[in-house]
Amino acid sequence: NAGVTQTPKFQVLKTGQSMTLQCAQDMNHEYMSWYRQDPGMGLRLIHYSVGAGITDQGEVPNGYNVSRSTTEDFPLRLLSAAPSQTSVYFCASSRTGVNYGYTFGSGTRLTVV
Amino acid sequence: AQRVTQPEKLLSVFKGAPVELKCNYSYSGSPELFWYVQYSRQRLQLLLRHISRESIKGFTADLNKGETSFHLKKPFAQEEDSAMYYCAPLYNFNKFYFGSGTKLNVKP
Repeated sequence: NAGVTQTPKFQVLKTGQSMTLQCAQDMNHEYMSWYRQDPGMGLRLIHYSVGAGITDQGEVPNGYNVSRSTTEDFPLRLLSAAPSQTSVYFCASSRTGVNYGYTFGSGTRLTVV
Repeated sequence: AQRVTQPEKLLSVFKGAPVELKCNYSYSGSPELFWYVQYSRQRLQLLLRHISRESIKGFTADLNKGETSFHLKKPFAQEEDSAMYYCAPLYNFNKFYFGSGTKLNVKP
């Protein structure tokens, strides 16, 4: 099993550009989520999904869109990149239930200039 | 709003010394509590979860509901324990909210 795979690992965008961060998992996990990690602020939840076709907002959803058309994939779209979106983005997945922790992807380091 | 506080940004100890990483949470309920760790150049990974009452790599964590704390402890720190540690209460099913993290530096 590959676990949680994120692509790309690094990306530089110009202000106003759009792009999609990819996330895929092969563990048949129902739950998937996106976090951003900023210095001194830990990880903040952007969007999450409890299953295919179901998504919801986290703490910092503005400027981001998600969709969950399959169990495996949970892409994160930046609609119009801004310098404030410079961050490291992590995708995570888990089985549903309180006993299970997250499995994380390796992260995408995004710089918006 | 649910809040998680990890008061120490950086904690430096010598090898063999005890270590305690503090975590306080604010939550109107009974969240499940987790600790995650991120070693240098590696992805975040689950360290331990309160529900399992487990000890991983010598670490344990005690839940104090009265003080709403879930401090992570290890009696004898090792150099390989140097990493970022995140406390993460779980509520609303799979919705984790993470603290800002504590960087543990174990000196030789």
